[in-house]
Amino acid sequence: GNSVTQMEGPVTLSEEAFLTINCTYTATGYPSLFWYVQYPGEGLQLLLKATKADDKGSNKGFEATYRKETTSFHLEKGSVQVSDSAVYFCALIRAAGNKLTFGGGTRVLVKP
Amino acid sequence: GAVVSQHPSWVICKSGTSVKIECRSLDFQATTMFWYRQFPKQSLMLMATSNEGSKATYEQGVEKDKFLINHASLTLSTLTVTSAHPEDSSFYICSASVTNTGELFFGEGSRLTVL
Repeated sequence: GNSVTQMEGPVTLSEEAFLTINCTYTATGYPSLFWYVQYPGEGLQLLLKATKADDKGSNKGFEATYRKETTSFHLEKGSVQVSDSAVYFCALIRAAGNKLTFGGGTRVLVKP
Repeated sequence: GAVVSQHPSWVICKSGTSVKIECRSLDFQATTMFWYRQFPKQSLMLMATSNEGSKATYEQGVEKDKFLINHASLTLSTLTVTSAHPEDSSFYICSASVTNTGELFFGEGSRLTVL
């Protein structure tokens, strides 16, 4: 079956530090890959996505590249802000459907 | 982007009562809506897929008589937690699929606390 594995948190960083959250997946076919962000007390928001191998998704300074050879979709940001404190979820959708499979989520805390 | 709204955002109820949570797509029609449950510090677990005008499809291990889902229109799906117990306390999130693109949008979630 499909699965998504991401690094466990919490990840605590200082402002302006570099952030990487690892995400690897197992899926049949060619899934689309997503990163969602959940701010405290809110629902999920789509952060970025990539639909095919070597695609790079980017938004709000965050980037992730779809690496089929390593089945990975690591999230990176060069300089985090306090406002980036949230829980980040890596997810996939199989090519043939629209059910999202989520990773366990990684809580990120950015301190001033 | 499209907006999905859930109501209520917070609900506290007594054990044994039933609670209804609404999920509305405000500016688009959603043929398919999904209901998720999120336990503290854990990921989202898909509970069921709700299709307008038909019965919901439940994931393995989810009690369909416990979690009643109705998708009566293209803009509204409801989740009713029947005879709620403290172990049903959780954060429930819905998402709606835009009919022509399949893109998913999430509601803000509803936190249920059963006393």
